[in-house]
Amino acid sequence: NAGVTQTPKFQVLKTGQSMTLQCAQDMNHEYMSWYRQDPGMGLRLIHYSVGAGITDQGEVPNGYNVSRSTTEDFPLRLLSAAPSQTSVYFCASSYSGGFGEAFFGQGTRLTVV
Amino acid sequence: SQQGEEDPQALSIQEGENATMNCSYKTSINNLQWYRQNSGRGLVHLILIRSNEREKHSGRLRVTLDTSKKSSSLLITASRAADTASYFCAPSNTDKLIFGTGTRLQVFP
Repeated sequence: NAGVTQTPKFQVLKTGQSMTLQCAQDMNHEYMSWYRQDPGMGLRLIHYSVGAGITDQGEVPNGYNVSRSTTEDFPLRLLSAAPSQTSVYFCASSYSGGFGEAFFGQGTRLTVV
Repeated sequence: SQQGEEDPQALSIQEGENATMNCSYKTSINNLQWYRQNSGRGLVHLILIRSNEREKHSGRLRVTLDTSKKSSSLLITASRAADTASYFCAPSNTDKLIFGTGTRLQVFP
């Protein structure tokens, strides 16, 4: 049972490049979320999903795109990377969203130069 | 806003001492959760307390909830160096979890 798996662990991008951060969970959770964490800060919600085919925006959605075609996967796309998107990105999943325990991946450290 | 606000921002104690951190929030909630984050790693769930509960224990952790004051506290008893981490609260009444900026706890051996 792997839990929540994020790939890659580290990534360096040039400004303007696009990329997809991968997130997969094997717990059959309906709810999945993406957060970003900047130095010394808390986690800010980017996008979340309450089930396959359903996504919604969080606190800081601009510059990011998501889709949820399967229960297991919730990729986060950066359409045109900017230095302001340098951050650590965390994916989380849960049975019931804010009504229950969330499980987090180990993070993707992204640097945009 | 659903976001909680942790206090203090930072806390330093010696091993064996108790650590208390607080969380205040503004809206009515269904539950409030506490998470720990070790140095840049993913958050780990510690405890969930529902709005109709006043106190909950888990090992060395004790969480209280006062919905009339819209506040919660997390007490770690007999702290250890391994408790050094950031602690976040997440008050919730929706399907989203929103986090504050956390309390950074440093436990010195």
